Amino acid sequence: QVHLQESGPGLVKPSGTLSLTCAVSGGSISSTNWWSWVRQPPGKGLEWVGEVYHSGSTNYNPSVKGRVTISVDQSQNRFSLQLTSVTAADTAVYYCARDVAATDYRYFQYWGQGILVTVSS
Amino acid sequence: DIQMTQSPSSVSASVGDSVTITCQASQDIRTWLVWYQQKPGKAPKLLIYAASTLQSGVPSRFSGSGSGTDFTLTISSLQPDDFATYYCQQANTYPFTFGPGTTVDFK
Repeated sequence: QVHLQESGPGLVKPSGTLSLTCAVSGGSISSTNWWSWVRQPPGKGLEWVGEVYHSGSTNYNPSVKGRVTISVDQSQNRFSLQLTSVTAADTAVYYCARDVAATDYRYFQYWGQGILVTVSS
Repeated sequence: DIQMTQSPSSVSASVGDSVTITCQASQDIRTWLVWYQQKPGKAPKLLIYAASTLQSGVPSRFSGSGSGTDFTLTISSLQPDDFATYYCQQANTYPFTFGPGTTVDFK
């Protein structure tokens, strides 16, 4: 059973940088999966932020493109999210997830518990 | 981006009822449709992928159908554990997008 755990500051100042890490256990981050970040503003729906493959390849949501970097650290079996120039609109629970991709299907199989990040001065 | 819509936005039901949630994509996504269940304060849980394939461990009272732009999630004989919010998600095209959710609550 793969387990994911988010960590990072719960409070970030406006115009600052949001930095989160997702530690993966029970499986290798070098497996044939993508690793994603999904966020959920309080009381609202889910938004896919972006994903990284163990090779370092990435795909991002245009809604945050230009501000987002997702990277992988194979030696530590973890991946990270950096979001720059944050505003109150970036306040959300951030989830990391394992993204299973195959020829005929794709889905977020395992999720972290989520971490609330509030953007406020 | 592909827009996902869901209806109804909420439904009130009783234990034992059958509930159907519909999800519509703004363009053809073939069967690249996923359903999740989310309870308050918890991460989403995978229920169904490829529009109709039940994830291992998910009760058989959950079923999904559809292809192209129109999809349904049916919960037959609703159980107390099923009161939650349900999201559909398209995995056909970047960026992946979710529906706004359907909340199933007690009548």
